[in-house]
Amino acid sequence: KAGVTQTPRYLIKTRGQQVTLSCSPISGHRSVSWYQQTPGQGLQFLFEYFSETQRNKGNFPGRFSGRQFSNSRSEMNVSTLELGDSALYLCASSRAGRAGEQYFGPGTRLTVT
Amino acid sequence: DQQVKQNSPSLSVQEGRISILNCDYTNSMFDYFLWYKKYPAEGPTFLISISSIKDKNEDGRFTVFLNKSAKHLSLHIVPSQPGDSAVYFCAASAVQGAQKLVFGQGTRLTINP
Repeated sequence: KAGVTQTPRYLIKTRGQQVTLSCSPISGHRSVSWYQQTPGQGLQFLFEYFSETQRNKGNFPGRFSGRQFSNSRSEMNVSTLELGDSALYLCASSRAGRAGEQYFGPGTRLTVT
Repeated sequence: DQQVKQNSPSLSVQEGRISILNCDYTNSMFDYFLWYKKYPAEGPTFLISISSIKDKNEDGRFTVFLNKSAKHLSLHIVPSQPGDSAVYFCAASAVQGAQKLVFGQGTRLTINP
């Protein structure tokens, strides 16, 4: 079974621009969560989508948004990029009912200059 | 406000010996705990989990212990192997928002031959 895939793997953007990251979950997994990893803050939860609905949200500004499609694929968008948004963005998927047991993709490394 | 803490940023252990990684939490609403392993340039990989109704869970060389009164959990790896060298994260979730994982800062484990 294929794992969680994320595209692109690396991205360089300029302050003020916006960016869209994509995540394809493991087949059969309906929950998709997004995390931001930085050296200073560690791994922080952004949001979770289940059946195309945002079910949980972390403490990030409204510039961070996401969506999920009917095939469970998910995208996250960051508008008006700031230097502090430079991070590894990780997507994780899980089966409904398996609380917490999430399977992570390799991440998208975003650099904002 | 660090709700999940891993106080040891690094740990070095001889091959064949026991590795013990520790994690403390402050939120008494957490009732499900997980350990993840992360290699460079990869997403975290799920290792083992434990529900708050148990105090021990074992899977091969990996055992997780939970002490609810002390709000402390630990991961034991016996025997330690060179391939275990990685960064280990503990994570916690509450029943409500179960897919929202709160991660510790990680402990870098190095197994010396």
